[in-house]
Amino acid sequence: EAEVAQSPRYKITEKSQAVAFWCDPISGHATLYWYRQILGQGPELLVQFQDESVVDDSQLPKDRFSAERLKGVDSTLKIQPAELGDSAMYLCASSPGQYGTGELFFGEGSRLTVL
Amino acid sequence: SQKIEQNSEALNIQEGKTATLTCNYTNYSPAYLQWYRQDPGRGPVFLLLIRENEKEKRKERLKVTFDTTLKQSLFHITASQPADSATYLCALDRAGGFKTIFGAGTRLFVKA
Repeated sequence: EAEVAQSPRYKITEKSQAVAFWCDPISGHATLYWYRQILGQGPELLVQFQDESVVDDSQLPKDRFSAERLKGVDSTLKIQPAELGDSAMYLCASSPGQYGTGELFFGEGSRLTVL
Repeated sequence: SQKIEQNSEALNIQEGKTATLTCNYTNYSPAYLQWYRQDPGRGPVFLLLIRENEKEKRKERLKVTFDTTLKQSLFHITASQPADSATYLCALDRAGGFKTIFGAGTRLFVKA
């Protein structure tokens, strides 16, 4: 069964360092999402791609976060510099429909701890 | 502002009983509503989707209702099992599919 792949699974870093997360969505899925989930809360959308274009990044802290999906397939989310408050689970999801209608398929997430 | 509310307290039930979880929303007119299951340290897994013109949807032991007048969805698990213990997330979508918004989830514990 096709899955959304994410790496690394766990990342521990010190504040002010740079960190990057990678996501490979299910083949053929046009829409890709990055969510952040703080412990005890629901996932919060950071950025949404339709193919290689950003369709929503209104909640992305652009002073330190960046995301790209250059060829409309896999995607990278970067944080530079990391802050203590960035400790969270970073979830990637994809969906097959145009503009992400319907079911989201999530990866297992990347757990970030900032010391 | 737009808001999704789920029971913040954990729900504890006995095996075999029906679990009922609530999702309320305000200042929102979703085209459809979804329910996901999330186990600790794992990504959410899709369970059910119900559209604004549907009142009820079922899948095996799961049932979802959607009342757009009350702005509420109820999620039922019948004949609950300890394996159903997890956090259940409600998610709303605007028409056109832009931006799926999640609630904080309700933790369910099913005791044997």
